[in-house]
Amino acid sequence: GAVVSQHPSRVICKSGTSVKIECRSLDFQATTMFWYRQFPKQSLMLMATSNEGSKATYEQGVEKDKFLINHASLTLSTLTVTSAHPEDSSFYICSVMRTGTYEQYFGPGTRLTVT
Amino acid sequence: DAKTTQPNSMESNEEEPVHLPCNHSTISGTDYIHWYRQLPSQGPEYVIHGLTSNVNNRMASLAIAEDRKSSTLILHRATLRDAAVYYCILRATGTASKLTFGTGTRLQVTL
Repeated sequence: GAVVSQHPSRVICKSGTSVKIECRSLDFQATTMFWYRQFPKQSLMLMATSNEGSKATYEQGVEKDKFLINHASLTLSTLTVTSAHPEDSSFYICSVMRTGTYEQYFGPGTRLTVT
Repeated sequence: DAKTTQPNSMESNEEEPVHLPCNHSTISGTDYIHWYRQLPSQGPEYVIHGLTSNVNNRMASLAIAEDRKSSTLILHRATLRDAAVYYCILRATGTASKLTFGTGTRLQVTL
């Protein structure tokens, strides 16, 4: 069965609004989760590392004030795209790392379309 | 991060073995070799990983060259459900386990 869930699976929003995407670890507690973005026909690009109880670590070029990450519990991390614009339209994927191992499990992804 | 090089695409017939190559000539002694695959409109799925020795699991086999500068993912009998983009990724030991995805190999499987 699924190890990681994401909600919603698909969302359409208007330009200027904010959208929250949830990533849940279903089978185990995870102190570390990762957020990726994937544009059509391109590879996954890591956006940030989400750490439970502390601030997320963002990759170079990713605006932390635009992509707000909250990892409030050992099973939930959220990514909020603030003031979304059409260029933010993408496939957002989270992954969960099993604590004590280097195994990563990916969620099914959330397709965001900003009109 | 050490870089990997993979062919952009490969084709295979169903029920035949598939060998997906990956070059990683700048691999360091403590880098693990990971393979993930991504089916259309889905998140990546773990396939296999190894360090020095060849590895087998229910999905595939991983053959690692003696000098570790290359590796090959082997699907023993390709099915239509194996059509995906396959990513070969190096993961450094002791880091926060960040995975840096390259462009991968798009595998087409035909009847």
